[in-house]
Amino acid sequence: NAGVTQTPKFQVLKTGQSMTLQCAQDMNHNSMYWYRQDPGMGLRLIYYSASEGTTDKGEVPNGYNVSRLNKREFSLRLESAAPSQTSVYFCASSRVQGAGETQYFGPGTRLLVL
Amino acid sequence: GQQVMQIPQYQHVQEGEDFTTYCNSSTTLSNIQWYKQRPGGHPVFLIQLVKSGEVKKQKRLTFQFGEAKKNSSLHITATQTTDVGTYFCAGYLFFGTGTRLTVIP
Repeated sequence: NAGVTQTPKFQVLKTGQSMTLQCAQDMNHNSMYWYRQDPGMGLRLIYYSASEGTTDKGEVPNGYNVSRLNKREFSLRLESAAPSQTSVYFCASSRVQGAGETQYFGPGTRLLVL
Repeated sequence: GQQVMQIPQYQHVQEGEDFTTYCNSSTTLSNIQWYKQRPGGHPVFLIQLVKSGEVKKQKRLTFQFGEAKKNSSLHITATQTTDVGTYFCAGYLFFGTGTRLTVIP
């Protein structure tokens, strides 16, 4: 089991460029999440998907879109990257959505927007 | 909205000293989880507390959940260099700001 995988590991973008961050899990989990991590800010939820076919906004959704492609895959898209989106992005999954569910994280994508 | 604050933000300790991080939520939590993130790594689940006043231990780590279920703490006894990392508490879909622990050999 690979767990949660993310691609790419690193990415440098210019302001205004677009890109999609990919995430996949092989644990048959129903729920998936995207977080961003900035120094001193902890992990902030961007979007989540409680189950295949559903997505919901988290704390900081502006500037992002998501797609729950199937049960395994959950992608995060930046349509027009801005320097404020420089961050480390983590994808996570859990068996189901709900308080008390353990989240399993991917290795992260380090994004620099110039 | 809900806020989960942790203090301190940073802590440097000599190896062998104790360490404590505190987590405070603006709202009552049904449960609280703790995660550890090694430098350059990703968060890894440590433990979950559910009951008011609950105390759980994992070797040198002691976790407590407050009586009002709005605060929690993690205490590490006799820190080791392997304890280095950032410790996060988490409520439902909200993570604390984290405490970065540095252990000086």
